[in-house]
Amino acid sequence: DGGITQSPKYLFRKEGQNVTLSCEQNLNHDAMYWYRQDPGQGLRLIYYSQIVNDFQKGDIAEGYSVSREKKESFPLTVTSAQKNPTAFYLCASRRTGVPEKLFFGSGTQLSVL
Amino acid sequence: QQQVKQSPQSLIVQKGGISIINCAYENTAFDYFPWYQQFPGKGPALLIAIRPDVSEKKEGRFTISFNKSAKQFSLHIMDSQPGDSATYFCAASKGNAGNMLTFGGGTRLMVKP
Repeated sequence: DGGITQSPKYLFRKEGQNVTLSCEQNLNHDAMYWYRQDPGQGLRLIYYSQIVNDFQKGDIAEGYSVSREKKESFPLTVTSAQKNPTAFYLCASRRTGVPEKLFFGSGTQLSVL
Repeated sequence: QQQVKQSPQSLIVQKGGISIINCAYENTAFDYFPWYQQFPGKGPALLIAIRPDVSEKKEGRFTISFNKSAKQFSLHIMDSQPGDSATYFCAASKGNAGNMLTFGGGTRLMVKP
């Protein structure tokens, strides 16, 4: 089955630690996105990438970093500079040229120990 | 700056009733208005979408009503069922910039049996 796989489903971060969230898609989509979801605040865009080896900051990029070395993979690192990392993180992808339908993964819940 | 405002934050409806969720936007350049449905612990999935050249779009029990002059659009769920209990997000984007979907804050719908 084609889709987006996010791992792990739950992740705990210690103070001062960097953690990396995995996102893999086998939909052959060009564009990939990371969103942060907090209760009552909807989905906020962290980073997005439209092609391999290129990515752009979204609305709340501070304290996060990404890479796009392969079309299928778009990992997100939550650095120690992100002071309030507890949230539900969603990865999404979209096929370029298709009306704006986003396909989402099942998310990773990150909590601070 | 919240460009898409969604209300209510939560909604309780009896089985068989009509659920109505409203969204208002500010940017007149927006020309694509999707609704996403999210079940607990899952990523959102596209439910229905509309473009401003029509005032209404219906798919099964789900209808989007669009009022361009008022810059408002709403989701109506007819004959609401317990299986419709989920969080609903409205969103908006402009042109072909699907990467710049702006989401509303979400509405948690509970349909009581």
